[in-house]
Amino acid sequence: EVQLVESGGGLVTGGGSLRLSCAASGFTFSNAWMTWVRQAPGKGLEWVGRIKSNTDGGTTDYAAPVKGRFTMSRDDSKNTLYLEMNSLKTEDTAVYYCITVDRYGWFDPWGQGTLVTVSS
Amino acid sequence: EIVLTQSPATLSLSPGERATLSCRASQSVSSYLAWYQQKPGQAPRLLIYDASNRATGIPARFSGSGSGTDFTLTISSLEPEDFAVYYCQQRSTLYSFGQGTKLEIK
Repeated sequence: EVQLVESGGGLVTGGGSLRLSCAASGFTFSNAWMTWVRQAPGKGLEWVGRIKSNTDGGTTDYAAPVKGRFTMSRDDSKNTLYLEMNSLKTEDTAVYYCITVDRYGWFDPWGQGTLVTVSS
Repeated sequence: EIVLTQSPATLSLSPGERATLSCRASQSVSSYLAWYQQKPGQAPRLLIYDASNRATGIPARFSGSGSGTDFTLTISSLEPEDFAVYYCQQRSTLYSFGQGTKLEIK
């Protein structure tokens, strides 16, 4: 069974940094493209970024609101995905979901999410 | 950036009725469109991918159609567990989501 478990969320002051982790199991993590999606309280879904597998170049793409501030990385030896978030703003407050990009290119399955709260 | 616009924002129907949700893209996304369902307190789950293909385990009452810029998610006969928020998503150019349609019990 595929499992994605996010951790690292919490309360941080604006301008600060936080690193989220996503522990993956139940599939060959090294072959998977991974992505983060966030959801502000009571709001819709917003794509954050994607990292390809290292065999596909390991490259990253980011949404405009986080580009230059957020960095995705992966450690295939630990089956873990990371999201390094710097220069955090109050508008970054959200539940952050770690998701596998399936073989058809879609987001499935999703982790349970971790809440990041940025205070002013 | 491709903008997806969903309508209506809220849809009020009764169990057993047919639900039709729309998603319009600001430019063609071919068939690179998916639909997700999100229930309160839960992560979203994939329902439909490539515009019209049901994901694993999704009941046949869910169907998707469309291509280019106009897409539809249809639920043929609503079950109580179908009342949720539905999002469309494109992957033609990176990724983006629509703002969601809340399907509520009338």
